[in-house]
Amino acid sequence: LAKTTQPISMDSYEGQEVNITCSHNNIATNDYITWYQQFPSQGPRFIIQGYKTKVTNEVASLFIPADRKSSTLSLPRVSLSDTAVYYCLVGDLYDYKLSFGAGTTVTVRA
Amino acid sequence: DGGITQSPKYLFRKEGQNVTLSCEQNLNHDAMYWYRQDPGQGLRLIYYSQIVNDFQKGDIAEGYSVSREKKESFPLTVTSAQKNPTAFYLCASSAGTGALYEQYFGPGTRLTVT
Repeated sequence: LAKTTQPISMDSYEGQEVNITCSHNNIATNDYITWYQQFPSQGPRFIIQGYKTKVTNEVASLFIPADRKSSTLSLPRVSLSDTAVYYCLVGDLYDYKLSFGAGTTVTVRA
Repeated sequence: DGGITQSPKYLFRKEGQNVTLSCEQNLNHDAMYWYRQDPGQGLRLIYYSQIVNDFQKGDIAEGYSVSREKKESFPLTVTSAQKNPTAFYLCASSAGTGALYEQYFGPGTRLTVT
């Protein structure tokens, strides 16, 4: 499993864009990058997944540079309800053991 | 409504007692997982099952046991051999194993052992 590094915490204000960068220097050719969101006392939920370039859905965007050694989750115009822990995971088709590190705690203030 | 249910939400036990945490899914998923989360930390994999009647140890299986007799159910027993059982336990399922398969999580069970 590729090791990931992401900031421990980030603060933001309502209406701003939040960008969380995850480093994965030893990412393998067949690895995919997945982000999950977890609210307090709940299970994580899937946000977005990508392999290269940019992926966008109704919740977030995921930017992956050509070398794929990092990825950036972008949350547009955050609200108070986006306060949560965000996990970056890297794994391939056969990685049943996804590694949830400590994640990034994002706090959105009014 | 399809999803994963865990019961109970809160569970209290005395030290030395075994306790079983329930996990049921109606998503028709083959794979199921149990994770443990301690305060301020990420999730650690206890056991996983890719198919009925088969399961594998994860990173921290000592002191835990599981069964997978039905596709829908994957109960976790926390035995008295688990030295520090107080934690938040999360069950998940996915259509298959591998990074491409989204894991769907239950609401969790918070276990307190005194």
